[in-house]
Amino acid sequence: EAGVAQSPRYKIIEKRQSVAFWCNPISGHATLYWYQQILGQGPKLLIQFQNNGVVDDSQLPKDRFSAERLKGVDSTLKIQPAKLEDSAVYLCASSHLLELRPKGEQFFGPGTRLTVL
Amino acid sequence: GEDVEQSLFLSVREGDSSVINCTYTDSSSTYLYWYKQEPGAGLQLLTYIFSNMDMKQDQRLTVLLNKKDKHLSLRIADTQTGDSAIYFCADMDSNYQLIWGAGTKLIIKP
Repeated sequence: EAGVAQSPRYKIIEKRQSVAFWCNPISGHATLYWYQQILGQGPKLLIQFQNNGVVDDSQLPKDRFSAERLKGVDSTLKIQPAKLEDSAVYLCASSHLLELRPKGEQFFGPGTRLTVL
Repeated sequence: GEDVEQSLFLSVREGDSSVINCTYTDSSSTYLYWYKQEPGAGLQLLTYIFSNMDMKQDQRLTVLLNKKDKHLSLRIADTQTGDSAIYFCADMDSNYQLIWGAGTKLIIKP
C-alpha cells in the first residue's frame, strides 16, 4: 500500500511570495489533515477534511492560508503572502474514519520543509 | 485548551532502557499515543493505549498509564542506535483530533 505523498519536499521563498503544497493521501482514506510543525514543537493542526468537506479549520490563518480538497482525494495548501514565521515543516496525514477508533492511527507523509527568507 | 507536556531530551546508553514521560490535562481522554519521528521521515505510530488500561506491552515497548495523575510513559528496553528519534506523546480529544506534545529527542550514547 502506497503511503501519503507530498511535494515538494523542500521550498525556499522570500517573504510576501506565495507557495503551494500538494498532498495525495492513502487510497480510500476519507479524512485528511494538514499540520504545521515548527522546529522544536509538536504538530499543530491547520485544517481537517472529511472527504471534500472541511471539518475543522479553526487554527488556519485564513487571511493568508487556504486549502482545498477537490473530489475528496488530493489536497493543496497555499500560503499567500508568506511571512517569516511561516517557516516550518508542513505535514499531511490521512486516516480512514472507520479505523479511527480504536487505533486512531493517522498516516503521515514526509512533509514539506518551507523556509521563508 | 488541553495540553500535553514532555521533556525535550533524553540521553541513554546503548543497551539500557529508555523511559520517556508525558503528562496531559484532558480529563476526557480516551486514547493516548506514542509517535516516532526520524530525521527526514514522517511521523509513525509506535503504539497506543486505551484509557481504561494501565499497561500495554509490545515487544521492546511498554506503555504505562496513570490516569489519576494523567501521566503516560514509554519504556524502550535494550535501546539501540536505531531508536534515535524524536518521540511524541499525543492525546485524542473528544473531536477525534490529536493534541501533541513537543516531542522528546532520544539520544543514544555508545
